[in-house]
Parts: sequence; C-alpha cells; structure tokens
Amino acid sequence: SAVISQKPSRDICQRGTSLTIQCQVDSQVTMMFWYRQQPGQSLTLIATANQGSEATYESGFVIDKFPISRPNLTFSTLTVSNMSPEDSSIYLCSVVTGSSGYTFGSGTRLTVV
Amino acid sequence: QKEVEQNSGPLSVPEGAIASLNCTYSDRGSQSFFWYRQYSGKSPELIMFIYSNGDKEDGRFTAQLNKASQYVSLLIRDSQPSDSATYLCAASGVVTGGGNKLTFGTGTQLKVEL
Repeated sequence: SAVISQKPSRDICQRGTSLTIQCQVDSQVTMMFWYRQQPGQSLTLIATANQGSEATYESGFVIDKFPISRPNLTFSTLTVSNMSPEDSSIYLCSVVTGSSGYTFGSGTRLTVV
Repeated sequence: QKEVEQNSGPLSVPEGAIASLNCTYSDRGSQSFFWYRQYSGKSPELIMFIYSNGDKEDGRFTAQLNKASQYVSLLIRDSQPSDSATYLCAASGVVTGGGNKLTFGTGTQLKVEL
C-alpha cells in the first residue's frame, strides 16, 4: 500500500492566520481526499483533489476557506484560512491504494487559539 | 443525507471473548464497506473491507455484509487488550469524475478488559 508523509504533525496557530498542510505520497495516485476529524467526532470529507483540475468540495466546505492545490500525482496541500477556534481539528489526507484500500496520512493536529 | 451509523459505545468485553461491532448505512448505492481501527491520537488504519454479501474472514476478524438489510458488522475473536480502540465503519460511494469517497460512521469505542 502507499505511504503518505503528512506535515506538520501538529501546530498551534493564532486566530485569523492560515496554515498549509502538505501530503506527499510515495506513488502516483489519481485522487487524494482531505478529511477533518473534530474532537470526539468521526471523519468528515472536506474535498477530493484531482491533479489538473479544481478540487471538489463537500457540502459545508468552500474553496475560500479550504483552498487545495494538486500540482502533480504525488503531492497535495490543504490550507486552512482565516482560522478560528472552531477549526481546531485533526486534518487527514487519504489516497486509494490497491484494489480497495484507503490509506491515511498520519494527520495534522491543529489547535487555534 | 447519506449516513453510516454506529453505536458509540463503549463496548466492553473480557479478554478472550468475541467482540461484535455493528454498522448500518442508508445509501443503497454504497458499493464497498470498510472497517478501520483508530487508536487515540493516531490516524485510522484499515482492518478489512467487504463488498459481497456474506462473511469475509481474516485472522481473528470477520466482516459480515447484508445488503438487503443495509447492515455491516465486524467480529473480533479472542479479543485482546491491544484491540481496545475506536472502530470506524465506512461506506464507499462514487464522486463526480470517478473514484470513490468514504463516508464514515461516528465509531464504536471498544474496551477489552483483563
């Protein structure tokens, strides 16, 4: 299965600032998925990132707040913009590997103060 | 609203017992189903996936799928304290442009007691 390097692993940020999270995959993948896991909650899909096209956002998530880049088939970034304490979450990237498996990055634990 | 539902638990079982985790889903278009284990502070790791009705076994784990009832379960035999974690059920659907996205349940916390 693919190996995903995600960074930073954690950060504490001031409200109103932005943080960019990076995911690097050790193989080429068509689609990358960005999830959010709020404290005590399950994973919610933010958007799906295809190389060479605009990301597709789920209901409740908008590009201005969560811009995504996908410059090539092994790399993607998610930016959390104009942060507020409600954005404090774990952010995870994921890719489909093999016939049916989904692999997750190690996650970015974001705290907004 | 496409949902995957799980009992949040905690489900407590004694060491060596069988743990039974259940999940229902609302979208009949869901194609594949996944069980992930998540330890506190860690990212989810895939245990099993299933896409055909019936049982699928892998070591101490058995996944069961009943599409007519829209029901998925995970059985863990000979439960060990190291199995204590949150178990997430996920269903795979189709996104625009191809590919699949996962919809997750809220997870069931399992505690295996000595």
